[in-house]
Amino acid sequence: QAVLTQPSSLSASPGASASLTCTLRSGINVGTYWMYWYQQKPGSPPQYLLRYKSDSDKQQGSGVPSRFSGSKDASANAGILLISGLQSEDEADYYCMIWHSSHWVFGGGTKLTVL
Amino acid sequence: QVQLVQSGAEVEKPGASVRVSCKASGYTFTSYDINWVRQATGQGLEWMGWMNPNSGHTGYAQKFQGRVNMTRDPSISTAYMELSGLRSEDTAVYYCARDGDYSGSGSFDYWGRGTLVTVSS
Repeated sequence: QAVLTQPSSLSASPGASASLTCTLRSGINVGTYWMYWYQQKPGSPPQYLLRYKSDSDKQQGSGVPSRFSGSKDASANAGILLISGLQSEDEADYYCMIWHSSHWVFGGGTKLTVL
Repeated sequence: QVQLVQSGAEVEKPGASVRVSCKASGYTFTSYDINWVRQATGQGLEWMGWMNPNSGHTGYAQKFQGRVNMTRDPSISTAYMELSGLRSEDTAVYYCARDGDYSGSGSFDYWGRGTLVTVSS
């Protein structure tokens, strides 16, 4: 079982909100981890969005709009990237990442379609 | 402005080695760790390892232990990633990325444009 699992795709309408989940493998407690989020558009390297551990421990990437935010769902053992006020330019692949067992581990990515 | 400029595309035969360079500018090279991440076509991101350009200290993903070597030349603000024993599965775009906060912060704030390495006989 992968350390981080992301849904492969998600669709949402312009102006709506999208909630992208990143589920940690059973036995790995999301509460103890910093969760990182990256955005990647076709033909470009990834871009750092934010990191989130709790509402009092979080960091927004430089220049990243506040409509990108992080949270956690402890009951689902998952990190969440919430994108509000979706715009066409938000269409991209989104990757979560954690530091686990002395490795940076990425999720498989979610392709977000805005239509 | 901060830039990471990577070397050009490479085509290598199975079993060969490849070295990718990453030249930093616009900041003090020795102040931020460099990480290497690769991505096969149509696939996700895979972390390979990190290097502290000041000390030269490195940490590698277990998957690449024994095959990868990350080095640097501070005099020319350049980091290198060498991968040996190439196989077809190593065909990917290789990125260098600056760890923009403290060492090990995970906030990879600047990335190179990537270097395509193709392994083919």
